[in-house]
Amino acid sequence: SQQGEEDPQALSIQEGENATMNCSYKTSINNLQWYRQNSGRGLVHLILIRSNEREKHSGRLRVTLDTSKKSSSLLITASRAADTASYFCATDGRNRDDKIIFGKGTRLHILP
Amino acid sequence: DTEVTQTPKHLVMGMTNKKSLKCEQHMGHRAMYWYKQKAKKPPELMFVYSYEKLSINESVPSRFSPECPNSSLLNLHLHALQPEDSALYLCASSQERTGLYGYTFGSGTRLTVV
Repeated sequence: SQQGEEDPQALSIQEGENATMNCSYKTSINNLQWYRQNSGRGLVHLILIRSNEREKHSGRLRVTLDTSKKSSSLLITASRAADTASYFCATDGRNRDDKIIFGKGTRLHILP
Repeated sequence: DTEVTQTPKHLVMGMTNKKSLKCEQHMGHRAMYWYKQKAKKPPELMFVYSYEKLSINESVPSRFSPECPNSSLLNLHLHALQPEDSALYLCASSQERTGLYGYTFGSGTRLTVV
């Protein structure tokens, strides 16, 4: 069963613009993670934010978490062609030992 | 070594074949996972191994049989698969089973069942 739902499902922006993706989830969590997947390849871990954190930065990435709304956002600033990929949020859930569940993902396409 | 290595990268098998997918990591991670991913869908969890013991089986059909020979290796044995089992099979590992430090994924095995 899915825990996270990303929004939008697909996003196309011009190179250099900022891209924002959102994730909503249903149950309480310990942490939320974001992953990137280039076409047909494995997932790459981008950033993890704990339930007691509200914002986290890593390079051009900024993640926010609002546990009251059960939502998170991933902002990629100054997008590049290499950012073209699918982005997934993944949550563990306080009662979900041993595993994380992935959302449906956002397909991001950076236009030259 | 900060990688998870999966072999083979591509596999085509008939419905009566027996084959195995292999996954290896040397990061000292104690939890390992198999995921199945269909096109344009998120990865779906199949199995979780924690300290070389199977801790989660997500009601996967018995034609998929996992094995963890040691802390660095994870296999997925395949037998009598169906065409709908064609997918990208991803292996992942984490420091410990709660995944608090994130998962490291392999590049996957693209499986086609004919």
